[in-house]
Amino acid sequence: DAGVIQSPRHEVTEMGQEVTLRCKPISGHNSLFWYRQTMMRGLELLIYFNNNVPIDDSGMPEDRFSAKMPNASFSTLKIQPSEPRDSAVYFCASSLEGGYTFGSGTRLTVV
Amino acid sequence: SQKIEQNSEALNIQEGKTATLTCNYTNYSPAYLQWYRQDPGRGPVFLLLIRENEKEKRKERLKVTFDTTLKQSLFHITASQPADSATYLCALGKTGNTPLVFGKGTRLSVIA
Repeated sequence: DAGVIQSPRHEVTEMGQEVTLRCKPISGHNSLFWYRQTMMRGLELLIYFNNNVPIDDSGMPEDRFSAKMPNASFSTLKIQPSEPRDSAVYFCASSLEGGYTFGSGTRLTVV
Repeated sequence: SQKIEQNSEALNIQEGKTATLTCNYTNYSPAYLQWYRQDPGRGPVFLLLIRENEKEKRKERLKVTFDTTLKQSLFHITASQPADSATYLCALGKTGNTPLVFGKGTRLSVIA
């Protein structure tokens, strides 16, 4: 198994542009989580899905953020328009039960 | 609001010694607690899970304790090696697939 796959690994974009982050979870895992990591705040949950259904998006900072999971093998996190304060590492993780398997993350820099 | 504190941002120890990392929490009643290792530029990697009714769990050189009265978990690495140098995160969870809440981590450096 290749693990949780995220793309791109790095993204540099200008303020105001749309950014789309992608995640392929581990086959058979029924839960998917999007976290954001910064030095100041650590790992923060943005949104999570169970069986492709969004359960809690209260961690999404504002309406500029949206996430979808159209099927069990793919999820996206979109930021539109992006702002410099969105700069962080965004992680996707999946689980069936027990421990999470994280992807390698997308380092987003908004200039 | 719920709060998770890991004892220090950074911990330096000599190779061969036992490293002990602390995770304290408030305003939370977890069903289980997990520990993860994170290397620079990588995602966290799951190490151990301990449930609220378990006092201690071991895996090779790792040992985790969980005291729900003190609201504290201790994470020990015995016979530490430079390869153990990384950031270690504790995370709390409730039943089912509710999301984990993570501490900010402790950066461990094992010096040869």
